[in-house]
Amino acid sequence: GAGVSQSPRYKVAKRGQDVALRCDPISGHVSLFWYQQALGQGPEFLTYFQNEAQLDKSGLPSDRFFAERPEGSVSTLKIQRTQQEDSAVYLCASSYVRGPSNYGYTFGSGTRLTVV
Amino acid sequence: AQSVTQPDIHITVSEGASLELRCNYSYGATPYLFWYVQSPGQGLQLLLKYFSGDTLVQGIKGFEAEFKRSQSSFNLRKPSVHWSDAAEYFCACMEYGNKLVFGAGTILRVKS
Repeated sequence: GAGVSQSPRYKVAKRGQDVALRCDPISGHVSLFWYQQALGQGPEFLTYFQNEAQLDKSGLPSDRFFAERPEGSVSTLKIQRTQQEDSAVYLCASSYVRGPSNYGYTFGSGTRLTVV
Repeated sequence: AQSVTQPDIHITVSEGASLELRCNYSYGATPYLFWYVQSPGQGLQLLLKYFSGDTLVQGIKGFEAEFKRSQSSFNLRKPSVHWSDAAEYFCACMEYGNKLVFGAGTILRVKS
């Protein structure tokens, strides 16, 4: 597609519910990132994939967070047993190069998760 | 670990006035630096980037930024602000492993 697509755009979850957030990167993009943006804050790194390999998951806040990219394209961020502090916008970004990019990364519009 | 500081949470400028948004970073080596803009409900759009070379970089929408190693700064500037520039602006530094470290953002308001 023309850009990075994220779905759903909005998600309301009851506390304790599991959620799955989807990211469709730009076709052919090798690198894929997930960021969490709390209200009034800058985005914070969660995890990084190069093709299907998850090379860095140091930013995942707890073992309730899990990300996958099984075929090296679409990625899913799953949050189990959601808690109120998980409420945030979850941003996905992709890039076609493996190393530092001269083009930065292309970000999706994000999924706004509200846990009630 | 790297950190990025944007000292101004909010800035208000008059339409047509000049703009400077401040950004300071902490990193030992030459950093890769970025400025992104985010409109409400939208993702982040890259305005400009600095990797090496000329310390004054030009970006889209008439923005520019200057890398000053001695001050650990990468301030964003625009000579004449338009009402459509109202948005939130994020400075970011690329850390080892390709991940971006963002500042907390500066909200720009433009008054007519």
